[in-house]
Amino acid sequence: AQSVSQHNHHVILSEAASLELGCNYSYGGTVNLFWYVQYPGQHLQLLLKYFSGDPLVKGIKGFEAEFIKSKFSFNLRKPSVQWSDTAEYFCAVNPRQAGTALIFGKGTTLSVSS
Amino acid sequence: EAGVTQFPSHSVIEKGQTVTLRCDPISGHDNLYWYRRVMGKEIKFLLHFVKESKQDESGMPNNRFLAERTGGTYSTLKVQPAELEDSGVYFCASSRTGGNEQFFGPGTRLTVL
Repeated sequence: AQSVSQHNHHVILSEAASLELGCNYSYGGTVNLFWYVQYPGQHLQLLLKYFSGDPLVKGIKGFEAEFIKSKFSFNLRKPSVQWSDTAEYFCAVNPRQAGTALIFGKGTTLSVSS
Repeated sequence: EAGVTQFPSHSVIEKGQTVTLRCDPISGHDNLYWYRRVMGKEIKFLLHFVKESKQDESGMPNNRFLAERTGGTYSTLKVQPAELEDSGVYFCASSRTGGNEQFFGPGTRLTVL
């Protein structure tokens, strides 16, 4: 069965620290990969996505993610976090065909102290 | 353009009652999805409409859940009768035909007492 695993449930960092959130997926075919973010009191927003091409993708607010096909991974990174990055982060995948459901990981809560 | 909207934002009901959740997708988006997040768990797919047709309802937990999308615009998700384990946040998302990016609504938090 298809699944997504996020390695960390809760990450606590100080401002300016570097961030890496792990995401691995289990699926035999070609996939689209996403990171969504939910800030406190707000709805899910797309942070970045990978469909094809350059495996290093850049998203909003200085986030980036690298797709490593051999490792079935799509880790999220940010070199220097800010207090405003405090949020819950979700990794998601779906098969390459358009119009298919997303499979989510359990989410990682990031708390950034100022 | 207006985003995906959901109503109500919160609902508190007693076990055995009925609740209807509503989702208005982005105008022109033919694909509409329902997802649910039970506390402490991952966001899980419930079903997918293409216009007014159910494309995939493999995630619907049981026959107490009924989703409709009459006219291919807004959708409703009815839970009847509600059980304690139905508590959670129900998300709606929409996407364009051929589009891979899904846009999410703010969710409806359902609490069944």
